[in-house]
Amino acid sequence: EAGVAQSPRYKIIEKRQSVAFWCNPISGHATLYWYQQILGQGPKLLIQFQNNGVVDDSQLPKDRFSAERLKGVDSTLKIQPAKLEDSAVYLCASTRSRTTEAFFGQGTRLTVV
Amino acid sequence: RKEVEQDPGPFNVPEGATVAFNCTYSNSASQSFFWYRQDCRKEPKLLMSVYSSGNEDGRFTAQLNRASQYISLLIRDSKLSDSATYLCVTDSGTYKYIFGTGTRLKVLA
Repeated sequence: EAGVAQSPRYKIIEKRQSVAFWCNPISGHATLYWYQQILGQGPKLLIQFQNNGVVDDSQLPKDRFSAERLKGVDSTLKIQPAKLEDSAVYLCASTRSRTTEAFFGQGTRLTVV
Repeated sequence: RKEVEQDPGPFNVPEGATVAFNCTYSNSASQSFFWYRQDCRKEPKLLMSVYSSGNEDGRFTAQLNRASQYISLLIRDSKLSDSATYLCVTDSGTYKYIFGTGTRLKVLA
């Protein structure tokens, strides 16, 4: 079974630029999550999708972050404009259902300079 | 109060030692509980789910105490390869998986 795929693995941008991350969850997994992990901290949930609908985006800074999951499969997370404090690893995870274990992609390491 | 709280450590233990981590959660409606392991610069990976009756997987034992709202992880006969960060996860009663900050473990030769 293929795992959660994310790209790019690394990204360096200047502040105020925009950036987008892509995630392809495990086939058949209805629930998809985007997490932000700052060095030394646990993953922080940004947004949760159930199929192509948003279940929770209460922690998403909506003035600069946006996410979509068209057709209930792939998802993209965008930051525009980026700030220095957005430097983190962005992890995508998926679950078969809302109570089963989450599988993570390798993450995208973003550095904003 | 944070939804999920863990002692960040680090816990430095000798090989062969037994070590235990606790994690407290604030939402009594939480239903699902997990321990994840995260190696340096890697993604979190499931170590074990935590069931109401407690469960064991080799050297690892997980317990759930609903009355006190905490889960625990016990590692027996620690190996060097157990060195990692251990993340506590609950669904917070709302099917969104909330992570603790993680507890760092370093097993020393």
